[in-house]
Amino acid sequence: DADVTQTPRNRITKTGKRIMLECSQTKGHDRMYWYRQDPGLGLRLIYYSFDVKDINKGEISDGYSVSRQAQAKFSLSLESAIPNQTALYFCATSDSGTYGYTFGSGTRLTVV
Amino acid sequence: GESVGLHLPTLSVQEGDNSIINCAYSNSASDYFIWYKQESGKGPQFIIDIRSNMDKRQGQRVTVLLNKTVKHLSLQIAATQPGDSAVYFCAERGAGANNLFFGTGTRLTVIP
Repeated sequence: DADVTQTPRNRITKTGKRIMLECSQTKGHDRMYWYRQDPGLGLRLIYYSFDVKDINKGEISDGYSVSRQAQAKFSLSLESAIPNQTALYFCATSDSGTYGYTFGSGTRLTVV
Repeated sequence: GESVGLHLPTLSVQEGDNSIINCAYSNSASDYFIWYKQESGKGPQFIIDIRSNMDKRQGQRVTVLLNKTVKHLSLQIAATQPGDSAVYFCAERGAGANNLFFGTGTRLTVIP
């Protein structure tokens, strides 16, 4: 089993729909992140959480929300999806004592 | 502002040759740097890291060089193999920052 699991792997949704992307980890890491990847723009941070009760906005949080349901679970929601949210989304984890991230395999989201 | 970028968006090398991927950063206070490899359809994978108190670090077939004077980071891959074909990202952590900032990536293509 993968250390960081993202579901779904692919999703096509319509404009205006609410959608949730889920991430779970077996690394035992306390820190979790959601990134968005667009061609030519690299990875951009949406939200991050250092503990179950800790939620922080990243550089592109508008239009997104997150929930840290447990240490091992961190979900990303698009309340009302729009086409420019079409992208590849990655969840990552890290331990508080290190800075290297472990990434999931990504969710490819298409908003039509 | 802080930025992490790459000199070349694409790089093609012959199998067996050495590869050098470059990265420039602008935050002189950054104290930690990582190189990631991203294969098609997968999440980024950690390759090697280096702290700002070092100027060179070696791994298996990979070497990272850090030149703080010109704020430049490079990844050297020895005896490049077809399996090395991927997009390579550098990432930096500003001193005191909680997160990594990623560059836009360089696509390495290995020609058999």
